[in-house]
Parts: sequence; structure tokens; C-alpha cells
Amino acid sequence: KQEVTQIPAALSVPEGENLVLNCSFTDSAIYNLQWFRQDPGKGLTSLLLIQSSQREQTSGRLNASLDKSSGRSTLYIAASQPGDSATYLCAVDNYGQNFVFGPGTRLSVLP
Amino acid sequence: DAGVIQSPRHEVTEMGQEVTLRCKPISGHNSLFWYRQTMMRGLELLIYFNNNVPIDDSGMPEDRFSAKMPNASFSTLKIQPSEPRDSAVYFCASRSRDRGYNEQFFGPGTRLTVL
Repeated sequence: KQEVTQIPAALSVPEGENLVLNCSFTDSAIYNLQWFRQDPGKGLTSLLLIQSSQREQTSGRLNASLDKSSGRSTLYIAASQPGDSATYLCAVDNYGQNFVFGPGTRLSVLP
Repeated sequence: DAGVIQSPRHEVTEMGQEVTLRCKPISGHNSLFWYRQTMMRGLELLIYFNNNVPIDDSGMPEDRFSAKMPNASFSTLKIQPSEPRDSAVYFCASRSRDRGYNEQFFGPGTRLTVL
């Protein structure tokens, strides 16, 4: 059974710092991995999708990497801003049928 | 496109009452997912459909929960009878399985409170 974990559970940084969020999964036979952002009381917003054949994806200040063999993905946020404060979740596309979500990392960027 | 549409956005009901949550997926998407999110358990997949057919309902907690997708543009999640422990945010998501396995798009969710 696929299990997804995320470290750290919470993170607080001053504005302008570069930061890394980690996601680990137990079964490397995945089709893709997706990173989401969730603001309090809101739905999930898709940030990046990495196909299993890819190593990384970039969108603006965000860069996500994927290492299937080690069961890890990282989300790198450059020059963090207070508007980046949210919970970040990773989800593994499990055998191309459904997604298994991690518990999330709650990020606070202080002005 | 309007994105995934869910209704109602908030629902408050009393224990024992029937609750029906509704979802309209993004046009052209042929996979639909129902999730439940709580502080204790995080985001859990309840059931998903491919081409209107239920594929895996192993996440549905009890027989009190049922889901239908009568056509490609509409799905319902019903709880009957509802219990206080069903209080959660219920999300619907959709994606297209054409041209490979693509990203999921989530609706805004329905916040359910069972008194």
C-alpha cells in the first residue's frame, strides 16, 4: 500500500529565504507526482505535475524534482513571499488510477 | 472553463438527516474523484469514477455513504443517515485520462457540519 509522508510538518521562515519542502513515498512504481497548495478554508490549487519519466518541473519561483528510485520529491521555493504562506501537499499518482496524498507542510512566510 | 463546481458550499444538518453533495466536473474530463478532508485524517479518497463507472469505492467509510455519476457532467455523494463524525470538508476533483495521466483539478469543497 502506497504511503506518502512530508517533512517538515510546519515551517516558518522570514521573507526572501529560499526553502525546500520534502515528500517521500514508499512505492516507486508511480505514474506521476503532483504538488498542490491549499489556503485556509479553501480548495487545492495545482502547482506542478511531474511525470514519472521527468526529473523536474519549473513554474516561476517554484521548482519540483522527482527521484523515483529513492521515493522522494522536493519542492523548492525561491525568494519566498508572505503570499506563499499556505499548506503544501504532494500527491502520488498510484498506478495511474488514483492519488495518494501526503499530510502536508504548513508554511508561514513572515514579512 | 468554470472549473470543478460543487454545491452546496456549506451544509449544516442534524444527525439522522440525509445529505446530498453535488459535483460538476470540468467539461471533457473523464475521471472524477470524491475526497474527504479532516484535521485528524487529512485528505482521504472516498471513491473515483472513470467514464462514469465507479472504479474503486474502498475508501467509502460505511454503507451510509453512496456515490453516483449518472452522466459525464454530474456526480452526487449521499450520506444517509448522517452522523456528527461525518463532519468534514468534501472535495470533488476531475481530470482527463486522455493523452496520458494528467493533473487533477479540485473544486472549492463542501463544508459539512452534522449536529
